[in-house]
Amino acid sequence: LAKTTQPISMDSYEGQEVNITCSHNNIATNDYITWYQQFPSQGPRFIIQGYKTKVTNEVASLFIPADRKSSTLSLPRVSLSDTAVYYCLVESNFGNEKLTFGTGTRLTIIP
Amino acid sequence: DAGVIQSPRHEVTEMGQEVTLRCKPISGHNSLFWYRQTMMRGLELLIYFNNNVPIDDSGMPEDRFSAKMPNASFSTLKIQPSEPRDSAVYFCASSLRDRGAFFGQGTRLTVV
Repeated sequence: LAKTTQPISMDSYEGQEVNITCSHNNIATNDYITWYQQFPSQGPRFIIQGYKTKVTNEVASLFIPADRKSSTLSLPRVSLSDTAVYYCLVESNFGNEKLTFGTGTRLTIIP
Repeated sequence: DAGVIQSPRHEVTEMGQEVTLRCKPISGHNSLFWYRQTMMRGLELLIYFNNNVPIDDSGMPEDRFSAKMPNASFSTLKIQPSEPRDSAVYFCASSLRDRGAFFGQGTRLTVV
């Protein structure tokens, strides 16, 4: 299972675009990249998943370069409610595997 | 679907007592995970099941912890006997293949 590395913490002002990068140098051909968001006192919430290039949904965008050794979660025009911990995981499309969360990135939005 | 349902939401028990946490996964999901979260240790995977079969329980801290999944719609995590260091938030999550995991609201366990 590919190990991931991401910054421990980030700060940003309201209204800015925030980009959180995750490194996964040992990603395998059959692996997807998945990002989760966790608010205090809640369980992690799936926000976006991708395999290559770019994926966009109503919450975020995910950019994955051709070599897939890293990925960037982009949050457009953040607000105070985006303050949370963001986790990057690499998941096999075969399923049937353990999902191990790292320390994540603690994002703090400043008014 | 109502999502992953965990019960109870809060549990306070005395040291030495048995504690049972319950989880109902999302219908149709074939994988189920139990996690424990504390400030010191973060989010730890305790055990996961695939098609009701335990696949990896290497994260279960001690023999005091046990988990079962008698059918596709129900799982339990039991701690017997409980100790103060077991105090944490316990999360259950379910998933279908590679489509991401969905978490319950968690059970906050306090052992005094």
